[in-house]
Amino acid sequence: DTAVSQTPKYLVTQMGNDKSIKCEQNLGHDTMYWYKQDSKKFLKIMFSYNNKELIINETVPNRFSPKSPDKAHLNLHINSLELGDSAVYFCASSQGRQRGEETQYFGPGTRLLVL
Amino acid sequence: AQTVTQSQPEMSVQEAETVTLSCTYDTSESDYYLFWYKQPPSRQMILVIRQEAYKQQNATENRFSVNFQKAAKSFSLKISDSQLGDAAMYFCAYRRGIIQGAQKLVFGQGTRLTINP
Repeated sequence: DTAVSQTPKYLVTQMGNDKSIKCEQNLGHDTMYWYKQDSKKFLKIMFSYNNKELIINETVPNRFSPKSPDKAHLNLHINSLELGDSAVYFCASSQGRQRGEETQYFGPGTRLLVL
Repeated sequence: AQTVTQSQPEMSVQEAETVTLSCTYDTSESDYYLFWYKQPPSRQMILVIRQEAYKQQNATENRFSVNFQKAAKSFSLKISDSQLGDAAMYFCAYRRGIIQGAQKLVFGQGTRLTINP
């Protein structure tokens, strides 16, 4: 069973469109994250939710809107897609209630290509 | 703000040899965690090894070990008996020591490791 899953794995779309990426974890974790990996492979945090509450919101355009319907799911909606949004988006989760639970487990990534 | 630096964009090693990947970080905190993640061509981010800053003993996982120098803020990864399957991008990452809630990972730029048969 996949621990952290993302759909879709690949997304090709036109500039100006709106798209969503979904993430689900079956690890029972409280915290979920979205990271962006750019064309130079650099990974940077975008958002994090803990128990459905937005905790981390880095400097991300407000065209990006995360949503957590429950602890096991964290979705990312992107409005008015731009060429610069092309990247790989990773979802991750962690427990983080006590020492030893800090490790973040990553999904397989969603490669987004905006044409 | 914390920063992580990997000064080796690319490294290569002969199969069965040993290679060391470098990582330095900058923080004013005393409690934190350090990680090495591996990203093979499949794109999956795979945890290789983790180190807790309050532990002086260097972490080891089979052929992977770290040299954690807290005073120097250095966290290198040693891969022994390199195998073809070790070929990947390797990322060093830092996490603050606060236990509960969401704490982001701060990543280095990555080192691409090639294994020569």
